[in-house]
Amino acid sequence: DTGVSQNPRHKITKRGQNVTFRCDPISEHNRLYWYRQTLGQGPEFLTYFQNEAQLEKSRLLSDRFSAERPKGSFSTLEIQRTEQGDSAMYLCASSPDRMNTEAFFGQGTRLTVV
Amino acid sequence: AQSVTQLGSHVSVSEGALVLLRCNYSSSVPPYLFWYVQYPNQGLQLLLKYTSAATLVKGINGFEAEFKKSETSFHLTKPSAHMSDAAEYFCAVTGGQNFVFGPGTRLSVLP
Repeated sequence: DTGVSQNPRHKITKRGQNVTFRCDPISEHNRLYWYRQTLGQGPEFLTYFQNEAQLEKSRLLSDRFSAERPKGSFSTLEIQRTEQGDSAMYLCASSPDRMNTEAFFGQGTRLTVV
Repeated sequence: AQSVTQLGSHVSVSEGALVLLRCNYSSSVPPYLFWYVQYPNQGLQLLLKYTSAATLVKGINGFEAEFKKSETSFHLTKPSAHMSDAAEYFCAVTGGQNFVFGPGTRLSVLP
């Protein structure tokens, strides 16, 4: 068990470009979450998968954002036409399909839009 | 729906002093509660969790928290602060699906 892995760790992109982040959860975890965190704030929920099904999406997830989890394994988060306001840390977490367990977090991907 | 408030965005204590970080929650279902710690440019690491068993929960690095339903609180304490405790601390609640985090408290430990 190597934990939750996120790639890349850092991404600098020009405004208007598209970016894609990858998350590899802990292998036996059914649930996968994406969060966004800006400086000095707590993680804000973006979306949640149970296996390959996307069960919940935050209103923060505008139509420029899309997330997938094909085959219920790794997940990708794509941001189209990036804006400076998208600059943040994007955190992925996974958990087993049980009520009383915590989310296990990756190291995050820091996005800077210039 | 769930929500979390953390009183005090920044707490400073002297090394060896008591640490008290406050968390109050709101939940429409019996909650599961968590404290996480985050070091700069890192992900979140679990300190401890309340999952409806014992109300006093012990975690890693000497931290503990007490669940008080009547006060809707889950405050984090440590008897004696170490310099290595300086970090950002987040309280979180779940009703069984997504996790809702508070805004965080930055803990500074003064020598």
